[in-house]
Amino acid sequence: EAGVAQSPRYKIIEKRQSVAFWCNPISGHATLYWYQQILGQGPKLLIQFQNNGVVDDSQLPKDRFSAERLKGVDSTLKIQPAKLEDSAVYLCASSFLGGRTGELFFGEGSRLTVL
Amino acid sequence: QKEVEQDPGPLSVPEGAIVSLNCTYSNSAFQYFMWYRQYSRKGPELLMYTYSSGNKEDGRFTAQVDKSSKYISLFIRDSQPSDSATYLCAMSRYSSASKIIFGSGTRLSIRP
Repeated sequence: EAGVAQSPRYKIIEKRQSVAFWCNPISGHATLYWYQQILGQGPKLLIQFQNNGVVDDSQLPKDRFSAERLKGVDSTLKIQPAKLEDSAVYLCASSFLGGRTGELFFGEGSRLTVL
Repeated sequence: QKEVEQDPGPLSVPEGAIVSLNCTYSNSAFQYFMWYRQYSRKGPELLMYTYSSGNKEDGRFTAQVDKSSKYISLFIRDSQPSDSATYLCAMSRYSSASKIIFGSGTRLSIRP
């Protein structure tokens, strides 16, 4: 079974530029999450989708971050304009109903450096 | 105060040692407790989960929850170099994968 796919793996941009990350979850997983992991910290949830609807975006900085999951499968996370403090690994995860308690399937992440 | 506190380490032990990793939390509403393992430059993967207080064993790993003290632990017996990773505790009010709060992780190194 293929895992969660993310791209690009690495991105370096200047502050105030924009960047987009793409995620394709495991086939059949209805729920998709974007997490931000700053160096030395645990993952922090940015947004959760159930199929193509937003379930929780309470911690998404909506003035600069946006995310969509148009057909209920793959998703894009965009940052515009980027700030220095956005330097982090952006992890996409998916889950399915009936999985083990609390089981998130993570991709390898997209590492963003903002200069 | 953070909802979940975890000592960042690093923790370095010799191969074969028993390892103890711990977290404390402040929200008494948490009912489900997880341990994730994260290898360098990889995403976290679920190791174990526990519901409420008690112990759970899976091979060399034992998870322990003490809700009265708001304290959870992960023990690794007969540690192996392949156990070298960052271990993240995580917890939630819900049995689904929603609204999981992660600790900051403890970096563990097992010396051959």
